[in-house]
Amino acid sequence: GAVVSQHPSRVICKSGTSVKIECRSLDFQATTMFWYRQFPKQSLMLMATSNEGSKATYEQGVEKDKFLINHASLTLSTLTVTSAHPEDSSFYICSASPPGAMNTEAFFGQGTRLTVV
Amino acid sequence: AQTVTQSQPEMSVQEAETVTLSCTYDTSESDYYLFWYKQPPSRQMILVIRQEAYKQQNATENRFSVNFQKAAKSFSLKISDSQLGDAAMYFCAYRSAFRGGGADGLTFGKGTHLIIQP
Repeated sequence: GAVVSQHPSRVICKSGTSVKIECRSLDFQATTMFWYRQFPKQSLMLMATSNEGSKATYEQGVEKDKFLINHASLTLSTLTVTSAHPEDSSFYICSASPPGAMNTEAFFGQGTRLTVV
Repeated sequence: AQTVTQSQPEMSVQEAETVTLSCTYDTSESDYYLFWYKQPPSRQMILVIRQEAYKQQNATENRFSVNFQKAAKSFSLKISDSQLGDAAMYFCAYRSAFRGGGADGLTFGKGTHLIIQP
């Protein structure tokens, strides 16, 4: 099957610093990856679409300067939370879909729990 | 914009019994995909079952089956012979097919917390 790996699984950072989260497709190439945010006991909300070789597309209400996305290769997308504040604390999950017959299915990373102190 | 509604925040079922989780959605598109994902305490999203809107036949995966009513925009999940390992959050999700299979992100419902009573 298709495997998406996310790193780190947990991170604690100080308020005002930046933190980078990586999302890798391990056994397929992904021209598009997606970043979601999940607050405790809530649903997943799509934040942005990461496009290889071009700018990310952000959902309405998501600050593009706060959440920087870089999709520099066909297997790696990164989400950088800049100048993090306690309200940015959340669970961040990425997903990708392999090409071909399985491309309608989204495969998810393990998620990253970000705590800003 | 599409919306997905799960009206049952929590459901409880006895082990070995059958439970149905409800999901409705709203869209103006004619071609799309619907999914049920399971999120256990580990928070890893696991695909349970998927349905292509153009298919009339309801999808089935072992103990899991759906009742897809396109006209009513309803997509319920039936879990038969419930097992303790089925306990998790279940999310209904919608994906547009307008730009091709993997081009769009998913829209999720708020989830249903399924409790299995031993």
